[in-house]
Amino acid sequence: GDSVTQMQGQVTLSEDDFLFINCTYSTTWYPTLFWYVQYPGEGPQLLLKVTTANNKGISRGFEATYDKRTTSFHLQKASVQESDSAVYYCVLGDGSSGSWQLIFGSGTQLTVMP
Amino acid sequence: EAAVTQSPRNKVTVTGGNVTLSCRQTNSHNYMYWYRQDTGHGLRLIHYSYGAGNLQIGDVPDGYKATRTTQEDFFLLLELASPSQTSLYFCASSDKRDRNTEVFFGKGTRLTVV
Repeated sequence: GDSVTQMQGQVTLSEDDFLFINCTYSTTWYPTLFWYVQYPGEGPQLLLKVTTANNKGISRGFEATYDKRTTSFHLQKASVQESDSAVYYCVLGDGSSGSWQLIFGSGTQLTVMP
Repeated sequence: EAAVTQSPRNKVTVTGGNVTLSCRQTNSHNYMYWYRQDTGHGLRLIHYSYGAGNLQIGDVPDGYKATRTTQEDFFLLLELASPSQTSLYFCASSDKRDRNTEVFFGKGTRLTVV
């Protein structure tokens, strides 16, 4: 079945460090890949989406692309700030079952130290 | 900004108890969803609805009922609560259900079954 694997459960960085989070996906369809971010005490919210392989999604200093050949997609930011501390979910948008669905990865807790 | 409001924010109940979680969205969205969030699993879809009186089964429906009474209101019912249903529950809404759709989440209800 369709799935998303998010291997990095926790990432700890210092301010101004480079962020890179990677996920892999499995689907027989043409996916849209999303990144949702969840701040403490809040629900997840859309950070950005990528609808076409090798295209780039950009939002709030974050960039994401996905690679159809390696079935991977990643999120990066050149210089993280303490305010970026949150849980980041990679999400597969998939219609292969005949009904559109979102499949969430297990999340990456990002902690940015001042 | 889409608004999804959940109540209560916290709930403790006993095993075998009856619990109703409430959700209201004020953006005239067609679709509403109930998810549960557990460590190591990300978010998993319990039930969803595309309008008043409609109910669709999600990926983890066992032990849950749901009812959409109006365009705005969606309820999740646990009629015989069990400790395995201790979780953080999110309600969400969207206007459509396709590859470009953004889903808007509430702040969550933390349910503890003792």
